[in-house]
Amino acid sequence: GAVVSQHPSRVICKSGTSVKIECRSLDFQATTMFWYRQFPKKSLMLMATSNEGSKATYEQGVEKDKFLINHASLTLSTLTVTSAHPEDSSFYICSARDSLDHLDTQYFGPGTRLTVL
Amino acid sequence: AQSVSQHNHHVILSEAASLELGCNYSYGGTVNLFWYVQYPGQHLQLLLKYFSGDPLVKGIKGFEAEFIKSKFSFNLRKPSVQWSDTAEYFCAVLWGYNKLIFGAGTRLAVHP
Repeated sequence: GAVVSQHPSRVICKSGTSVKIECRSLDFQATTMFWYRQFPKKSLMLMATSNEGSKATYEQGVEKDKFLINHASLTLSTLTVTSAHPEDSSFYICSARDSLDHLDTQYFGPGTRLTVL
Repeated sequence: AQSVSQHNHHVILSEAASLELGCNYSYGGTVNLFWYVQYPGQHLQLLLKYFSGDPLVKGIKGFEAEFIKSKFSFNLRKPSVQWSDTAEYFCAVLWGYNKLIFGAGTRLAVHP
Protein backbone atom coordinates (compact mmCIF):
# COMPACT_ATOMS: atom_id res chain seq x y z
CA GLY A 1 0.00 0.00 0.00
CA ALA A 2 0.90 3.65 -0.20
CA VAL A 3 3.36 4.64 2.50
CA VAL A 4 4.23 8.11 3.69
CA SER A 5 7.10 8.75 6.07
CA GLN A 6 7.99 11.75 8.17
CA HIS A 7 11.27 12.73 9.71
CA PRO A 8 11.94 13.40 12.48
CA SER A 9 9.23 11.77 14.56
CA ARG A 10 10.04 14.00 17.52
CA VAL A 11 12.01 17.20 17.82
CA ILE A 12 12.72 19.51 20.73
CA CYS A 13 14.17 22.91 19.99
CA LYS A 14 14.86 26.21 21.66
CA SER A 15 12.68 29.23 21.07
CA GLY A 16 13.90 31.27 18.11
CA THR A 17 15.43 28.40 16.18
CA SER A 18 14.11 26.87 12.97
CA VAL A 19 13.04 23.28 12.50
CA LYS A 20 12.65 21.36 9.25
CA ILE A 21 10.26 18.43 8.91
CA GLU A 22 10.41 16.10 5.93
CA CYS A 23 7.52 14.24 4.35
CA ARG A 24 8.20 11.51 1.80
CA SER A 25 5.99 9.32 -0.29
CA LEU A 26 7.91 6.05 -0.38
CA ASP A 27 6.25 4.02 -3.10
CA PHE A 28 4.29 6.49 -5.18
CA GLN A 29 4.61 9.91 -6.71
CA ALA A 30 2.73 12.78 -5.15
CA THR A 31 2.27 16.02 -7.02
CA THR A 32 0.24 17.23 -4.06
CA MET A 33 1.06 16.91 -0.40
CA PHE A 34 -0.69 18.42 2.57
CA TRP A 35 0.45 19.68 5.95
CA TYR A 36 -1.83 19.45 8.97
CA ARG A 37 -1.53 20.49 12.56
CA GLN A 38 -3.21 18.51 15.29
CA PHE A 39 -3.85 20.10 18.66
CA PRO A 40 -4.37 17.96 21.77
CA LYS A 41 -7.84 16.42 21.82
CA LYS A 42 -8.72 18.30 18.65
CA SER A 43 -8.96 17.41 15.03
CA LEU A 44 -6.51 17.90 12.21
CA MET A 45 -6.41 21.39 10.77
CA LEU A 46 -5.12 21.83 7.26
CA MET A 47 -2.28 24.33 7.20
CA ALA A 48 -1.28 24.30 3.56
CA THR A 49 -1.31 22.39 0.32
CA SER A 50 2.10 21.70 -1.14
CA ASN A 51 2.34 21.51 -4.93
CA GLU A 52 5.37 20.04 -6.64
CA GLY A 53 7.23 22.69 -8.56
CA SER A 54 5.07 25.60 -7.46
CA LYS A 55 4.23 27.67 -4.42
CA ALA A 56 2.25 26.21 -1.59
CA THR A 57 -1.30 27.28 -0.94
CA TYR A 58 -1.84 28.34 2.66
CA GLU A 59 -5.06 28.23 4.61
CA GLN A 60 -6.47 31.37 6.09
CA GLY A 61 -4.67 32.36 9.26
CA VAL A 62 -1.51 30.38 8.55
CA GLU A 63 1.60 32.56 8.24
CA LYS A 64 3.44 31.57 5.09
CA ASP A 65 6.63 33.29 6.21
CA LYS A 66 6.63 31.30 9.42
CA PHE A 67 5.75 27.93 7.96
CA LEU A 68 7.88 27.56 4.86
CA ILE A 69 6.93 24.76 2.52
CA ASN A 70 9.07 23.35 -0.25
CA HIS A 71 7.94 20.58 -2.59
CA ALA A 72 11.05 20.09 -4.67
CA SER A 73 10.34 16.61 -6.00
CA LEU A 74 7.45 14.24 -6.57
CA THR A 75 8.27 12.35 -3.39
CA LEU A 76 9.42 15.00 -0.94
CA SER A 77 7.86 17.99 0.75
CA THR A 78 9.43 19.89 3.64
CA LEU A 79 7.90 22.13 6.27
CA THR A 80 10.21 24.55 8.03
CA VAL A 81 8.97 26.22 11.17
CA THR A 82 10.99 29.42 11.33
CA SER A 83 11.80 31.26 14.56
CA ALA A 84 9.82 28.73 16.53
CA HIS A 85 8.00 29.75 19.67
CA PRO A 86 6.40 27.64 22.40
CA GLU A 87 2.97 28.20 20.86
CA ASP A 88 4.21 26.38 17.75
CA SER A 89 4.53 23.20 19.79
CA SER A 90 2.18 20.73 18.22
CA PHE A 91 1.82 17.54 16.27
CA TYR A 92 2.44 18.11 12.57
CA ILE A 93 1.14 15.56 10.10
CA CYS A 94 1.64 15.39 6.37
CA SER A 95 -0.34 13.52 3.78
CA ALA A 96 0.19 12.80 0.13
CA ARG A 97 -2.13 12.09 -2.72
CA ASP A 98 -1.11 9.50 -5.28
CA SER A 99 -0.83 11.28 -8.63
CA LEU A 100 -2.29 8.26 -10.38
CA ASP A 101 -5.23 7.84 -8.00
CA HIS A 102 -8.29 9.61 -9.34
CA LEU A 103 -10.23 8.95 -6.16
CA ASP A 104 -8.48 11.67 -4.18
CA THR A 105 -7.39 9.42 -1.33
CA GLN A 106 -4.82 10.98 0.96
CA TYR A 107 -2.23 8.80 2.68
CA PHE A 108 -0.96 10.09 5.98
CA GLY A 109 2.43 10.13 7.56
CA PRO A 110 3.04 9.17 11.21
CA GLY A 111 3.40 12.76 12.34
CA THR A 112 6.12 14.83 13.98
CA ARG A 113 5.86 15.99 17.58
CA LEU A 114 7.45 19.44 17.88
CA THR A 115 8.22 20.84 21.30
CA VAL A 116 9.58 24.36 21.52
CA LEU A 117 11.17 25.27 24.84
CA ALA B 1 -17.88 26.68 4.36
CA GLN B 2 -18.03 22.98 4.92
CA SER B 3 -17.84 21.60 8.45
CA VAL B 4 -17.97 18.13 9.95
CA SER B 5 -19.51 17.20 13.28
CA GLN B 6 -18.81 14.10 15.27
CA HIS B 7 -21.16 14.10 18.18
CA ASN B 8 -19.57 11.38 20.26
CA HIS B 9 -16.22 12.44 21.64
CA HIS B 10 -15.69 9.37 23.79
CA VAL B 11 -17.30 5.98 23.47
CA ILE B 12 -16.71 3.04 25.77
CA LEU B 13 -17.91 -0.41 24.78
CA SER B 14 -17.46 -3.99 25.80
CA GLU B 15 -16.22 -6.51 23.30
CA ALA B 16 -18.90 -7.87 20.98
CA ALA B 17 -21.06 -4.78 21.41
CA SER B 18 -22.30 -3.02 18.32
CA LEU B 19 -20.84 0.32 17.34
CA GLU B 20 -22.27 3.34 15.60
CA LEU B 21 -20.37 6.62 15.41
CA GLY B 22 -22.19 9.65 14.13
CA CYS B 23 -20.88 12.02 11.47
CA ASN B 24 -22.71 14.95 9.93
CA TYR B 25 -21.50 17.44 7.39
CA SER B 26 -22.92 20.86 6.73
CA TYR B 27 -22.83 21.41 2.99
CA GLY B 28 -25.05 19.60 0.54
CA GLY B 29 -24.42 18.76 -3.06
CA THR B 30 -21.89 16.23 -4.25
CA VAL B 31 -19.66 15.08 -1.44
CA ASN B 32 -16.81 12.66 -1.03
CA LEU B 33 -16.72 11.21 2.47
CA PHE B 34 -14.09 9.33 4.42
CA TRP B 35 -13.56 7.60 7.74
CA TYR B 36 -10.03 7.40 9.05
CA VAL B 37 -8.76 5.52 12.09
CA GLN B 38 -5.76 6.28 14.26
CA TYR B 39 -4.63 3.42 16.47
CA PRO B 40 -2.56 4.33 19.55
CA GLY B 41 0.88 5.45 18.45
CA GLN B 42 0.15 4.98 14.78
CA HIS B 43 -0.68 7.21 11.85
CA LEU B 44 -4.06 7.84 10.29
CA GLN B 45 -5.30 4.99 8.13
CA LEU B 46 -8.19 4.98 5.71
CA LEU B 47 -11.08 2.80 6.86
CA LEU B 48 -13.47 3.46 4.01
CA LYS B 49 -14.61 6.11 1.57
CA TYR B 50 -17.70 7.09 -0.35
CA PHE B 51 -17.63 8.80 -3.71
CA SER B 52 -20.76 7.65 -5.50
CA GLY B 53 -23.00 4.65 -6.07
CA ASP B 54 -24.18 2.36 -3.29
CA PRO B 55 -24.65 4.52 -0.19
CA LEU B 56 -23.67 1.60 2.04
CA VAL B 57 -19.92 1.41 1.93
CA LYS B 58 -17.93 -1.49 3.30
CA GLY B 59 -14.42 -0.90 4.56
CA ILE B 60 -11.63 -2.80 6.16
CA LYS B 61 -11.83 -4.75 9.42
CA GLY B 62 -15.59 -5.23 9.25
CA PHE B 63 -16.51 -1.56 9.30
CA GLU B 64 -19.20 -0.05 7.14
CA ALA B 65 -20.75 3.37 6.75
CA GLU B 66 -23.99 4.58 5.30
CA PHE B 67 -24.34 7.81 3.37
CA ILE B 68 -27.77 9.35 3.92
CA LYS B 69 -27.98 12.43 1.78
CA SER B 70 -31.22 13.71 3.28
CA LYS B 71 -29.67 13.69 6.73
CA PHE B 72 -26.22 14.96 5.67
CA SER B 73 -24.85 11.96 7.54
CA PHE B 74 -22.19 9.31 7.09
CA ASN B 75 -22.30 7.18 10.21
CA LEU B 76 -19.77 4.46 10.86
CA ARG B 77 -20.91 1.05 12.08
CA LYS B 78 -19.53 -2.27 13.16
CA PRO B 79 -21.79 -5.07 14.40
CA SER B 80 -19.35 -6.51 16.92
CA VAL B 81 -16.30 -4.61 18.16
CA GLN B 82 -13.05 -6.09 19.36
CA TRP B 83 -10.49 -4.86 21.85
CA SER B 84 -8.20 -4.15 18.89
CA ASP B 85 -10.69 -1.57 17.61
CA THR B 86 -9.64 0.77 20.42
CA ALA B 87 -8.57 3.87 18.53
CA GLU B 88 -9.59 7.35 17.50
CA TYR B 89 -11.93 7.64 14.55
CA PHE B 90 -12.14 10.66 12.27
CA CYS B 91 -14.80 11.47 9.75
CA ALA B 92 -13.76 13.73 6.88
CA VAL B 93 -15.30 15.33 3.83
CA LEU B 94 -13.48 16.43 0.70
CA TRP B 95 -14.08 20.11 0.13
CA GLY B 96 -13.26 21.72 -3.17
CA TYR B 97 -10.54 20.08 -5.21
CA ASN B 98 -8.49 18.43 -2.55
CA LYS B 99 -9.08 19.89 0.92
CA LEU B 100 -10.05 17.40 3.61
CA ILE B 101 -12.20 18.79 6.40
CA PHE B 102 -12.00 16.62 9.50
CA GLY B 103 -14.37 16.16 12.38
CA ALA B 104 -13.07 16.44 15.93
CA GLY B 105 -12.68 12.70 16.25
CA THR B 106 -14.20 10.05 18.49
CA ARG B 107 -12.11 8.10 20.94
CA LEU B 108 -13.30 4.52 21.20
CA ALA B 109 -12.25 2.33 24.08
CA VAL B 110 -13.21 -1.34 23.94
CA HIS B 111 -12.93 -3.32 27.13
CA PRO B 112 -12.36 -7.09 27.05
